Amino acid sequence: AQSVTQLGSHVSVSEGALVLLRCNYSSSVPPYLFWYVQYPNQGLQLLLKYTSAATLVKGINGFEAEFKKSETSFHLTKPSAHMSDAAEYFCAVREGGYNKLIFGAGTRLAVHP
Amino acid sequence: SAVISQKPSRDICQRGTSLTIQCQVDSQVTMMFWYRQQPGQSLTLIATANQGSEATYESGFVIDKFPISRPNLTFSTLTVSNMSPEDSSIYLCTTSRAREGTQYFGPGTRLTVL
Repeated sequence: AQSVTQLGSHVSVSEGALVLLRCNYSSSVPPYLFWYVQYPNQGLQLLLKYTSAATLVKGINGFEAEFKKSETSFHLTKPSAHMSDAAEYFCAVREGGYNKLIFGAGTRLAVHP
Repeated sequence: SAVISQKPSRDICQRGTSLTIQCQVDSQVTMMFWYRQQPGQSLTLIATANQGSEATYESGFVIDKFPISRPNLTFSTLTVSNMSPEDSSIYLCTTSRAREGTQYFGPGTRLTVL
């Protein structure tokens, strides 16, 4: 069965610093991987997705993620953090052919001045 | 993408009562999903609802507690039965139209059980 591990439940960065949120997956088949963001008191919004095309995926709000099969990783990065990036970020993997998603535990990103 | 609306957006309920949450999609979809997000937690899939068949429940979730209806291709309901404070969560409806399984989330229903 597929699974996702997000390393670090809380990450804190300074405004303008690099954002790196880690996600490792386990999958017996080529995975479809997703990053979602949840702002306070809001629903989940899709940031980006990997669907076996380009390994470097660009998403909204300046975020990108690189799929590394050898490391079973799909880490999320942003070169320069903004205060508005403060939110909860979830990595997810699609399970098999059923289109249901398995979510990681989430990483809460704090951005301080 | 799909536009999903849920009703109610939030509710406060008494222990032992039931609440039915409605989910409406702006176009016809085959699969709809119901997730639960407990306070400070990640999302857990409750069940998959396909039109014309019984919902498929994940381990730890049963039909008697979370009955689901799927009367047509744009609508589904989730009932939280005989509620207890442990059922206080955000309940989210999603659907997927893309081949790779991208899911689009509704705004969720924030439930508090006293």
